[in-house]
Amino acid sequence: ETGVTQTPRHLVMGMTNKKSLKCEQHLGHNAMYWYKQSAKKPLELMFVYSLEERVENNSVPSRFSPECPNSSHLFLHLHTLQPEDSALYLCASSQEASGGLFAQYFGPGTRLTVT
Amino acid sequence: AQSVTQPDIHITVSEGASLELRCNYSYGATPYLFWYVQSPGQGLQLLLKYFSGDTLVQGIKGFEAEFKRSQSSFNLRKPSVHWSDAAEYFCAVGVGLTGGGNKLTFGTGTQLKVEL
Repeated sequence: ETGVTQTPRHLVMGMTNKKSLKCEQHLGHNAMYWYKQSAKKPLELMFVYSLEERVENNSVPSRFSPECPNSSHLFLHLHTLQPEDSALYLCASSQEASGGLFAQYFGPGTRLTVT
Repeated sequence: AQSVTQPDIHITVSEGASLELRCNYSYGATPYLFWYVQSPGQGLQLLLKYFSGDTLVQGIKGFEAEFKRSQSSFNLRKPSVHWSDAAEYFCAVGVGLTGGGNKLTFGTGTQLKVEL
């Protein structure tokens, strides 16, 4: 595997279900991100993890719960979602160092449909 | 707070024609700027980035972009478009976060259609 991988690629879930999205980066990076991409809206940053610590929570509802067990893996746990949460969820990673800002590399995304 | 404007929602060009996609940003300091491309059902692929130095940056797939501070612009160009370039293009400005990592603010995207 190379780059950033995401599983599953497609997910359909009811509003009472609990599911998790998984992201794995094979780039040796130390920061990981979750974004939400809805139709006709700009990409929205949801969470940022740097060195496995959460450094940004962009006012995301508590029904989305991130987890970063190590620098290579990132999860997004979902529960009691709403139909408006249907979107493409993108994971990204970057290599951060003091005094610099580096590009983020994205996975293919998980297309989530909430019924 | 930073922001990005992509004034063109849709652009159609003929294959072989030149292309310019516009991007204007708002940020108080020297910006970190990026262009990404997204094909249907896929994630975002980095085309090029500007951090400092030469204001004309080269990217993958024959794309280039020019940073113009006086116009707060970072327009993407390609001299000859191929049918495979049809996709959605996103401009983004990045800022570092205090705790590490960085935050990208994206424009709303420009959908490129290529006519054969």
